[in-house]
Amino acid sequence: GQNIDQPTEMTATEGAIVQINCTYQTSGFNGLFWYQQHAGEAPTFLSYNVLDGLEEKGRFSSFLSRSKGYSYLLLKELQMKDSASYLCAVILDSNYQLIWGAGTKLIIKP
Amino acid sequence: KAGVTQTPRYLIKTRGQQVTLSCSPISGHRSVSWYQQTPGQGLQFLFEYFSETQRNKGNFPGRFSGRQFSNSRSEMNVSTLELGDSALYLCASTLTGIGADTQYFGPGTRLTVL
Repeated sequence: GQNIDQPTEMTATEGAIVQINCTYQTSGFNGLFWYQQHAGEAPTFLSYNVLDGLEEKGRFSSFLSRSKGYSYLLLKELQMKDSASYLCAVILDSNYQLIWGAGTKLIIKP
Repeated sequence: KAGVTQTPRYLIKTRGQQVTLSCSPISGHRSVSWYQQTPGQGLQFLFEYFSETQRNKGNFPGRFSGRQFSNSRSEMNVSTLELGDSALYLCASTLTGIGADTQYFGPGTRLTVL
């Protein structure tokens, strides 16, 4: 079976740094996506990792370790608008289907 | 370029009825995927269409069906609605649906079954 685990909810303070973890056990792997979803809105693309290492994009960075089945999303200089759910998804290499985690709800406090 | 559109945005039905949801992908995108989203369950994959053919299918009962038209617009149908079908239904489009193609999501249709 396919399994992706993320913490259900995290709380952080405005201006701080937060790391959201994602572990996966899937029958294949062709890359990992992170999406952001604000309440009542559609998910929007944040990052894509296929090779081990860190990908930095402004305040957001995403890390992947294929050998450990592990990824994290790092958010720096948190702003109130970062309050949202963060979804981790793995692409299967057999049929390019996306398997999604349940998402991590991030609450930012002033 | 216009984004992914879904109609209707909200729908209230009663048990036993059927419903059809519509999705128009971004112009030029040929792959459309459908997902069911419920609190705590994340996105559950329903099916994916490419060039009018169902290419992938998730683990949902046969009451859930879909199709894609020659202009890449897609519809999803749910027959004999159950209370548990209440959810946000999202569609996403990509150019080819292969590899690292980014999925672009529509705003969703919120279905409530009474």
